[in-house]
Amino acid sequence: GENVEQHPSTLSVQEGDSAVIKCTYSDSASNYFPWYKQELGKGPQLIIDIRSNVGEKKDQRIAVTLNKTAKHFSLHITETQPEDSAVYFCAAWVSDAGGTSYGKLTFGQGTILTVHP
Amino acid sequence: GAVVSQHPSRVICKSGTSVKIECRSLDFQATTMFWYRQFPKKSLMLMATSNEGSKATYEQGVEKDKFLINHASLTLSTLTVTSAHPEDSSFYICSARDTSGIYRGTQYFGPGTRLLVL
Repeated sequence: GENVEQHPSTLSVQEGDSAVIKCTYSDSASNYFPWYKQELGKGPQLIIDIRSNVGEKKDQRIAVTLNKTAKHFSLHITETQPEDSAVYFCAAWVSDAGGTSYGKLTFGQGTILTVHP
Repeated sequence: GAVVSQHPSRVICKSGTSVKIECRSLDFQATTMFWYRQFPKKSLMLMATSNEGSKATYEQGVEKDKFLINHASLTLSTLTVTSAHPEDSSFYICSARDTSGIYRGTQYFGPGTRLLVL
């Protein structure tokens, strides 16, 4: 089955700096890669996702890149703010064209991001 | 993004009682919902996949008779922890997959339920 490795496990940055979290996956059939942000005591919140037909996607300060050949994808947060502090999870999934696959998300181990004021 | 609600957000119960947790997709239909368990400082552990109108598929090691799942409609799935014991104390999170529209395949999570069994 799919295996997703996420690094680093903890990341500490100063406010305004950039943060990068990297994930690798093992199943070349995976074609959907979401990123979730989880604040303490809350459920994961989808912040950005990318499908394998594109190499990069950006939404304001957040961007995700995908390298299908190397089977890795990364989350980039620019101009970090204290409210970006949370646990971030990457995930991978094999989705059929209709999005109705009975497959399941495989999560990375999570990255604790701390942004210092 | 789409909204998934979960109720209750927190529950404390005595050992031996059963607890039901509801998960609803509020603005989309979800033929597939998922139930996760999360331990402190750990990633999400998939317990079971719930398909509307059919039996749930449980992950290896998850007792189906202890964690009863019902997915009676396209917007509601329930998880019942039967005869709960202290070791069942955990953070339970549901998720729903949006299979329609431009966001098909996207999976959204509920806010979680903190279960404490005394």
